Amino acid sequence: GENVEQHPSTLSVQEGDSAVIKCTYSDSASNYFPWYKQELGKGPQLIIDIRSNVGEKKDQRIAVTLNKTAKHFSLHITETQPEDSAVYFCAATGDSGYSTLTFGKGTMLLVSP
Amino acid sequence: DAGVIQSPRHEVTEMGQEVTLRCKPISGHDYLFWYRQTMMRGLELLIYFNNNVPIDDSGMPEDRFSAKMPNASFSTLKIQPSEPRDSAVYFCASSWSRGGGVVGAFFGQGTRLTVV
Repeated sequence: GENVEQHPSTLSVQEGDSAVIKCTYSDSASNYFPWYKQELGKGPQLIIDIRSNVGEKKDQRIAVTLNKTAKHFSLHITETQPEDSAVYFCAATGDSGYSTLTFGKGTMLLVSP
Repeated sequence: DAGVIQSPRHEVTEMGQEVTLRCKPISGHDYLFWYRQTMMRGLELLIYFNNNVPIDDSGMPEDRFSAKMPNASFSTLKIQPSEPRDSAVYFCASSWSRGGGVVGAFFGQGTRLTVV
């Protein structure tokens, strides 16, 4: 089955800096890669996703890049703000049959004012 | 839409008691997932349904756990009897399929279960 590795496990940045979280996956058939943000006491929230036919996708201050050859994808947050502090999860899945999401272990991002 | 709704938000129970967690998925979604989250193991998929039919329950830890989805708008996860090691946050999520596979997943707020 699919295996998703995520790093770093924790990331501390100063407000205004950029943050990058990286994930690798094992199943070359995976072609859908969502990212989730989980704030304390809440459920994971889908913030951005990318399909394998696209190399990069951007939504305001967040962007995701995908390298299918290397089987890795990354989340980029620019101009970080304290409210970006949360745990971020990457995930991967295919679209054949009953594919489901496999999650990384999460990255705790702390943005200091 | 109100999103995925779970109840209760918090549950404290004594070891050996039966616990029932409830979930109302987003209307129109044909997939429903039950996850468990702990510090040690992260997010674990317990079971998922497609069109109310259980597809894969290989993540259910043991026979004490059972899940049902009697209709498209309701699902339950039951633990009987409960044990302290079942303490965790349980999430329900729903999604829709495109080309056969899941597209995203929308999570509820979770139920924090404490078994004492």
